[in-house]
Amino acid sequence: DQQVKQNSPSLSVQEGRISILNCDYTNSMFDYFLWYKKYPAEGPTFLISISSIKDKNEDGRFTVFLNKSAKHLSLHIVPSQPGDSAVYFCAASYNDMRFGAGTRLTVKP
Amino acid sequence: EAGVTQSPTHLIKTRGQQATLRCSPISGHTSVYWYQQALGLGLQFLLWYDEGEERNRGNFPPRFSGRQFPNYSSELNVNALELEDSALYLCASSLAGTADSATNEKLFFGSGTQLSVL
Repeated sequence: DQQVKQNSPSLSVQEGRISILNCDYTNSMFDYFLWYKKYPAEGPTFLISISSIKDKNEDGRFTVFLNKSAKHLSLHIVPSQPGDSAVYFCAASYNDMRFGAGTRLTVKP
Repeated sequence: EAGVTQSPTHLIKTRGQQATLRCSPISGHTSVYWYQQALGLGLQFLLWYDEGEERNRGNFPPRFSGRQFPNYSSELNVNALELEDSALYLCASSLAGTADSATNEKLFFGSGTQLSVL
C-alpha cells in the first residue's frame, strides 16, 4: 500500500524560478517528514526534514511546508538552478521510513 | 569516513536462481534498511534491521529475506527469482533505532545493487 504519494512524475521549470514539489501521505502516525534528492547511479541523499510539530522549515534555497490536517507537504526551491535537476523523493516516518514514487525535476537554463 | 557500501554493483541472474546482496553501514550505525526501486514505483520498503533483529518488513513475499550480522552489516536474499524482481536495491543505514521526530534521524543510502533477472 502506497502510504506516501507523489502524484507528479515530472516537473520542468526555468532557471531562477520557483520549483514546487508536492507530496501526500495517508498514515496519520507519521510524525517526521523528509525530502531526498537522487542523481542517476547514486543513492538518494538527504535534503531537508520537518517534524510534525512544525509547519515550515527552511534551509537556504529549500523550504519544506507541512499541512498536517491535509496530510500534505511540499518542497519549494527558490531560485531553481540547473544543478537541482534530479529525482526528488518525499519520505515519511514513524518507526521505519516510507518513500513516495519520486518527481523528476528538470531546471532549464 | 566511509559511507554505506553495497556489493555487488550489478548482478545478473536467471529466473529461479537465488541472489544475495550485501550492505555495510556507516561505522557506528546499527540500523539497516532495504528498499527496492523498480521502474516507476519509487522506493518500496523491504526490510528494516536494528541491533541484529528484524524490526519490520514491507509487503513483499517470503522469498525476500535477510539478516543483520553482529558487525551490523546486512545481507538481502531473494530466492526463486522472477523477472519482476529486476530493480535497483538500495540499502540505507541510520544511527538510531527509529527515525522519527524524537530522534530526527536520517537515512544514509548506498549507491545500490542493480539486479537484472533474465
